[in-house]
Amino acid sequence: AQSVAQPEDQVNVAEGNPLTVKCTYSVSGNPYLFWYVQYPNRGLQFLLKYITGDNLVKGSYGFEAEFNKSQTSFHLKKPSALVSDSALYFCAVSSLFSGGYNKLIFGAGTRLAVHP
Amino acid sequence: GAVVSQHPSRVICKSGTSVKIECRSLDFQATTMFWYRQFPKQSLMLMATSNEGSKATYEQGVEKDKFLINHASLTLSTLTVTSAHPEDSSFYICSARAASGGLPSTDTQYFGPGTRLTVL
Repeated sequence: AQSVAQPEDQVNVAEGNPLTVKCTYSVSGNPYLFWYVQYPNRGLQFLLKYITGDNLVKGSYGFEAEFNKSQTSFHLKKPSALVSDSALYFCAVSSLFSGGYNKLIFGAGTRLAVHP
Repeated sequence: GAVVSQHPSRVICKSGTSVKIECRSLDFQATTMFWYRQFPKQSLMLMATSNEGSKATYEQGVEKDKFLINHASLTLSTLTVTSAHPEDSSFYICSARAASGGLPSTDTQYFGPGTRLTVL
């Protein structure tokens, strides 16, 4: 079965420190991995995705994520956190076997809290 | 680019009435749109996949007669919650797949801002 795990319900980090939001996945076939951010009472905003090629993917707002095939992980990172990064972050995966029409499988979400 | 809008952003209705939510891709054509439901502090639950010009594909456990989906054009999909009840109160989010010409599984879904439905 296809699945995504975000092991941390919440991540707390001080402003200016590096942040990591963890994601691991389980899919059949090649994984296509996505990160989205959700601010209160809003839809999801696309941050970045990994399809193929370089394992380090750079995205919006200074975020990046590293695809690690052996560990089946796709952790989201940022070198220096901002208070405005505080939000709910979702990891998602699709594959040729996750269902037709690019069906995305979402993790449970991780709340990031950046403290001044 | 890749902007998706939803209307209305918030709706309050009486039990037994029907509510229609619109999802539009503003600057791209979307052959496929998705409808999700999100409960407080929870992840998104896919309700159905909407394809332009054909019937929607509903996820297991989602009542197709209660949640009517129409995808009449490449930029518009609608979700109608029929005979709404308080348990239908939720945050409904749509997304549209921006085709890149490659495998559909690699395409990015862009999300609307969501519609907060409250049924009294």
